[in-house]
Amino acid sequence: EPEVTQTPSHQVTQMGQEVILRCVPISNHLYFYWYRQILGQKVEFLVSFYNNEISEKSEIFDDQFSVERPDGSNFTLKIRSTKLEDSAMYFCASSEFGPWDYGYTFGSGTRLTVV
Amino acid sequence: SQQGEEDPQALSIQEGENATMNCSYKTSINNLQWYRQNSGRGLVHLILIRSNEREKHSGRLRVTLDTSKKSSSLLITASRAADTASYFCATDVGGSNYKLTFGKGTLLTVNP
Repeated sequence: EPEVTQTPSHQVTQMGQEVILRCVPISNHLYFYWYRQILGQKVEFLVSFYNNEISEKSEIFDDQFSVERPDGSNFTLKIRSTKLEDSAMYFCASSEFGPWDYGYTFGSGTRLTVV
Repeated sequence: SQQGEEDPQALSIQEGENATMNCSYKTSINNLQWYRQNSGRGLVHLILIRSNEREKHSGRLRVTLDTSKKSSSLLITASRAADTASYFCATDVGGSNYKLTFGKGTLLTVNP
Protein backbone atom coordinates (compact mmCIF):
# COMPACT_ATOMS: atom_id res chain seq x y z
CA GLU A 1 0.00 0.00 0.00
CA PRO A 2 1.48 3.40 -0.96
CA GLU A 3 2.45 5.59 1.98
CA VAL A 4 3.12 9.21 2.77
CA THR A 5 6.52 9.40 4.41
CA GLN A 6 7.47 12.10 6.88
CA THR A 7 10.87 12.88 8.32
CA PRO A 8 12.04 13.32 10.97
CA SER A 9 9.62 11.52 13.27
CA HIS A 10 10.64 13.76 16.15
CA GLN A 11 12.45 17.09 16.18
CA VAL A 12 13.49 19.22 19.11
CA THR A 13 14.44 22.79 18.38
CA GLN A 14 15.29 25.97 20.25
CA MET A 15 12.78 28.78 20.21
CA GLY A 16 13.57 31.18 17.39
CA GLN A 17 15.25 28.55 15.23
CA GLU A 18 14.09 27.58 11.76
CA VAL A 19 12.82 24.08 11.14
CA ILE A 20 11.99 22.23 7.95
CA LEU A 21 9.62 19.31 8.08
CA ARG A 22 9.81 16.96 5.15
CA CYS A 23 7.23 14.84 3.43
CA VAL A 24 7.20 12.51 0.47
CA PRO A 25 3.62 12.25 -0.79
CA ILE A 26 2.28 9.35 -2.81
CA SER A 27 3.77 9.61 -6.26
CA ASN A 28 0.61 10.01 -8.38
CA HIS A 29 -1.12 12.33 -5.95
CA LEU A 30 -1.64 15.94 -6.98
CA TYR A 31 -2.94 17.62 -3.83
CA PHE A 32 -0.81 18.10 -0.75
CA TYR A 33 -1.65 19.29 2.73
CA TRP A 34 -0.20 20.08 6.11
CA TYR A 35 -2.19 19.70 9.29
CA ARG A 36 -1.12 19.94 12.91
CA GLN A 37 -2.36 18.57 16.19
CA ILE A 38 -1.41 20.20 19.45
CA LEU A 39 -1.40 17.61 22.23
CA GLY A 40 -4.94 16.83 23.31
CA GLN A 41 -6.52 19.11 20.75
CA LYS A 42 -8.15 18.85 17.35
CA VAL A 43 -6.34 18.22 14.12
CA GLU A 44 -6.10 21.65 12.49
CA PHE A 45 -5.72 22.53 8.84
CA LEU A 46 -2.67 24.59 7.94
CA VAL A 47 -2.33 24.69 4.16
CA SER A 48 -3.19 22.96 0.93
CA PHE A 49 -1.04 22.95 -2.19
CA TYR A 50 -1.89 22.13 -5.77
CA ASN A 51 -0.26 22.83 -9.09
CA ASN A 52 2.77 24.35 -7.38
CA GLU A 53 0.87 26.94 -5.46
CA ILE A 54 -1.03 27.33 -2.22
CA SER A 55 -4.72 26.60 -2.73
CA GLU A 56 -5.87 27.55 0.72
CA LYS A 57 -4.33 28.41 4.06
CA SER A 58 -5.63 28.87 7.55
CA GLU A 59 -5.16 31.76 9.95
CA ILE A 60 -2.49 29.71 11.68
CA PHE A 61 -0.40 29.72 8.51
CA ASP A 62 1.11 33.16 8.92
CA ASP A 63 4.29 34.66 7.49
CA GLN A 64 6.39 32.39 9.67
CA PHE A 65 5.22 29.38 7.67
CA SER A 66 6.01 28.45 4.10
CA VAL A 67 5.65 25.38 1.93
CA GLU A 68 7.62 24.21 -1.02
CA ARG A 69 7.73 21.37 -3.48
CA PRO A 70 11.40 21.64 -4.41
CA ASP A 71 11.40 18.63 -6.73
CA GLY A 72 8.97 16.03 -8.03
CA SER A 73 8.80 14.07 -4.82
CA ASN A 74 9.29 16.19 -1.70
CA PHE A 75 6.89 18.57 -0.01
CA THR A 76 8.26 20.66 2.84
CA LEU A 77 6.91 22.86 5.59
CA LYS A 78 9.24 25.53 6.93
CA ILE A 79 8.75 27.44 10.14
CA ARG A 80 11.12 30.39 10.09
CA SER A 81 11.31 31.34 13.74
CA THR A 82 9.72 28.75 15.98
CA LYS A 83 7.67 29.66 19.04
CA LEU A 84 6.81 27.51 22.03
CA GLU A 85 3.23 27.29 20.79
CA ASP A 86 4.40 25.68 17.55
CA SER A 87 5.03 22.50 19.52
CA ALA A 88 2.68 19.97 17.97
CA MET A 89 2.42 16.91 15.79
CA TYR A 90 2.60 17.96 12.14
CA PHE A 91 0.93 15.74 9.58
CA CYS A 92 1.47 15.79 5.88
CA ALA A 93 -1.26 14.36 3.66
CA SER A 94 -1.87 13.87 -0.02
CA SER A 95 -4.81 13.02 -2.23
CA GLU A 96 -5.14 12.11 -5.86
CA PHE A 97 -8.22 14.08 -6.82
CA GLY A 98 -8.76 16.57 -4.05
CA PRO A 99 -10.75 16.33 -0.83
CA TRP A 100 -14.18 16.23 -2.32
CA ASP A 101 -14.35 12.69 -3.56
CA TYR A 102 -11.70 10.70 -1.83
CA GLY A 103 -10.07 10.59 1.53
CA TYR A 104 -6.57 11.68 2.22
CA THR A 105 -3.55 9.56 2.97
CA PHE A 106 -1.77 10.92 6.00
CA GLY A 107 1.82 10.40 7.04
CA SER A 108 2.76 9.25 10.53
CA GLY A 109 3.64 12.77 11.54
CA THR A 110 6.58 14.75 12.87
CA ARG A 111 6.46 15.60 16.54
CA LEU A 112 7.96 19.07 16.88
CA THR A 113 9.04 20.16 20.33
CA VAL A 114 10.11 23.78 20.74
CA VAL A 115 12.10 24.46 23.92
CA SER B 1 -20.97 23.14 18.83
CA GLN B 2 -18.20 23.52 16.32
CA GLN B 3 -18.00 21.90 12.91
CA GLY B 4 -17.33 18.22 13.44
CA GLU B 5 -18.04 17.41 17.06
CA GLU B 6 -17.97 13.79 18.13
CA ASP B 7 -19.66 12.19 21.05
CA PRO B 8 -19.04 10.50 23.28
CA GLN B 9 -15.57 11.83 24.03
CA ALA B 10 -14.60 8.43 25.38
CA LEU B 11 -16.14 5.00 25.06
CA SER B 12 -15.06 1.79 26.74
CA ILE B 13 -16.52 -1.54 25.66
CA GLN B 14 -15.78 -5.24 25.78
CA GLU B 15 -14.40 -7.16 22.84
CA GLY B 16 -17.20 -8.45 20.64
CA GLU B 17 -19.55 -5.58 21.44
CA ASN B 18 -20.57 -2.92 18.96
CA ALA B 19 -19.28 0.64 19.26
CA THR B 20 -21.24 3.65 18.04
CA MET B 21 -19.75 7.11 17.73
CA ASN B 22 -21.61 10.19 16.64
CA CYS B 23 -20.58 13.36 14.88
CA SER B 24 -22.47 16.60 14.48
CA TYR B 25 -21.60 19.52 12.27
CA LYS B 26 -22.96 22.97 11.54
CA THR B 27 -22.57 23.89 7.89
CA SER B 28 -23.58 22.17 4.68
CA ILE B 29 -21.05 19.63 3.55
CA ASN B 30 -19.85 17.95 0.39
CA ASN B 31 -18.74 14.85 2.23
CA LEU B 32 -17.93 13.57 5.67
CA GLN B 33 -14.99 11.33 6.42
CA TRP B 34 -14.01 9.17 9.38
CA TYR B 35 -10.41 8.64 10.42
CA ARG B 36 -8.72 6.49 13.04
CA GLN B 37 -5.64 7.46 14.98
CA ASN B 38 -3.72 5.03 17.10
CA SER B 39 -1.93 6.65 20.01
CA GLY B 40 0.83 8.93 18.77
CA ARG B 41 0.47 7.78 15.19
CA GLY B 42 -0.88 9.16 11.93
CA LEU B 43 -4.46 9.34 10.77
CA VAL B 44 -5.88 6.47 8.78
CA HIS B 45 -8.77 7.10 6.43
CA LEU B 46 -11.63 4.72 7.15
CA ILE B 47 -14.59 5.74 5.07
CA LEU B 48 -16.05 8.68 3.16
CA ILE B 49 -19.75 9.34 2.76
CA ARG B 50 -21.02 11.92 0.31
CA SER B 51 -23.80 14.35 1.09
CA ASN B 52 -26.21 12.51 -1.21
CA GLU B 53 -25.59 9.18 0.51
CA ARG B 54 -27.35 7.99 3.63
CA GLU B 55 -25.45 4.88 4.57
CA LYS B 56 -22.22 3.21 3.67
CA HIS B 57 -20.52 -0.02 4.71
CA SER B 58 -16.93 -1.12 4.73
CA GLY B 59 -16.16 -4.42 6.41
CA ARG B 60 -17.18 -4.08 10.06
CA LEU B 61 -17.80 -0.35 9.66
CA ARG B 62 -21.16 1.22 9.00
CA VAL B 63 -21.54 4.96 8.55
CA THR B 64 -24.78 6.86 8.35
CA LEU B 65 -25.35 10.45 7.38
CA ASP B 66 -28.39 12.56 8.13
CA THR B 67 -27.95 15.90 6.41
CA SER B 68 -31.23 17.22 7.78
CA LYS B 69 -29.89 16.77 11.31
CA LYS B 70 -26.31 17.51 10.28
CA SER B 71 -25.10 14.38 11.95
CA SER B 72 -23.29 11.15 11.20
CA SER B 73 -22.63 7.98 13.09
CA LEU B 74 -19.89 5.39 12.86
CA LEU B 75 -20.73 1.87 13.98
CA ILE B 76 -18.00 -0.69 14.50
CA THR B 77 -19.46 -4.15 14.84
CA ALA B 78 -17.90 -7.07 16.71
CA SER B 79 -15.14 -4.88 18.10
CA ARG B 80 -11.64 -6.15 18.69
CA ALA B 81 -8.88 -4.99 21.02
CA ALA B 82 -7.04 -3.75 17.91
CA ASP B 83 -9.87 -1.27 17.30
CA THR B 84 -8.69 0.69 20.34
CA ALA B 85 -7.90 4.15 18.96
CA SER B 86 -9.25 7.67 18.61
CA TYR B 87 -11.85 8.16 15.92
CA PHE B 88 -12.38 11.49 14.21
CA CYS B 89 -14.96 12.77 11.83
CA ALA B 90 -13.88 15.38 9.31
CA THR B 91 -16.05 17.46 7.05
CA ASP B 92 -15.38 18.82 3.60
CA VAL B 93 -17.60 21.71 2.53
CA GLY B 94 -16.65 21.37 -1.13
CA GLY B 95 -16.50 24.11 -3.69
CA SER B 96 -13.17 25.85 -3.84
CA ASN B 97 -12.27 24.75 -0.32
CA TYR B 98 -9.33 22.43 -0.06
CA LYS B 99 -9.45 21.47 3.58
CA LEU B 100 -11.02 19.15 6.09
CA THR B 101 -12.34 20.31 9.43
CA PHE B 102 -11.82 17.74 12.15
CA GLY B 103 -13.69 17.15 15.37
CA LYS B 104 -12.07 16.45 18.72
CA GLY B 105 -12.54 12.74 18.39
CA THR B 106 -13.85 9.81 20.38
CA LEU B 107 -11.36 7.68 22.28
CA LEU B 108 -12.51 4.09 21.95
CA THR B 109 -11.10 1.48 24.29
CA VAL B 110 -11.92 -2.14 23.56
CA ASN B 111 -11.15 -4.37 26.51
CA PRO B 112 -10.13 -7.97 25.80
